[in-house]
Amino acid sequence: EDKVVQSPLSLVVHEGDTVTLNCSYEVTNFRSLLWYKQEKKAPTFLFMLTSSGIEKKSGRLSSILDKKELFSILNITATQTGDSAVYLCAATTDSWGKFQFGAGTQVVVTP
Amino acid sequence: SQTIHQWPATLVQPVGSPLSLECTVEGTSNPNLYWYRQAAGRGLQLLFYSVGIGQISSEVPQNLSASRPQDRQFILSSKKLLLSDSGFYLCAWSVLFSGSTDTQYFGPGTRLTVL
Repeated sequence: EDKVVQSPLSLVVHEGDTVTLNCSYEVTNFRSLLWYKQEKKAPTFLFMLTSSGIEKKSGRLSSILDKKELFSILNITATQTGDSAVYLCAATTDSWGKFQFGAGTQVVVTP
Repeated sequence: SQTIHQWPATLVQPVGSPLSLECTVEGTSNPNLYWYRQAAGRGLQLLFYSVGIGQISSEVPQNLSASRPQDRQFILSSKKLLLSDSGFYLCAWSVLFSGSTDTQYFGPGTRLTVL
């Protein structure tokens, strides 16, 4: 059975701190790993990772994939209160287009 | 550009009443369509997916059903709602290309409360 596990489930940090979120996956015919940010409503796309060891960056956010150890991390540096959200990761497979989501990590950034 | 519409935004229904949530996609053809449910503080649970008109696959047995009467229309229904059907329902679409980006785009969601 395909599964994606995220950790921690939630954390509270102060503005300026660095946050590291983990996502481990076990899926058949793995294709890609995606990260989303969800605030009040629909998740918004952050990154898609397909190759090991290649870091993707967008401002203060970065992510990397390890296909040997089957995990990905999402880093947020110099956190701001606007980074408060649930961060979801999902693994896709080579089949019809299934996205297997993790339970998410709730990040709260306090001023 | 592609857009996805989902309505209503919020819904409060009594137990035992029927349900119909609609999702439409614009600006793309033959998308994969998905219905997810998200309980408070939880991840996304895939309910149904569709790779084409009239093709529906169910991931989780329940009292919900889905239909795809047109290429870019996806409907989630129930004949009799249960309290446990409360949650945040998200419609999403994706188009997968070989060697290209796999990205799933979400609608704004419907928050359903069953009382």
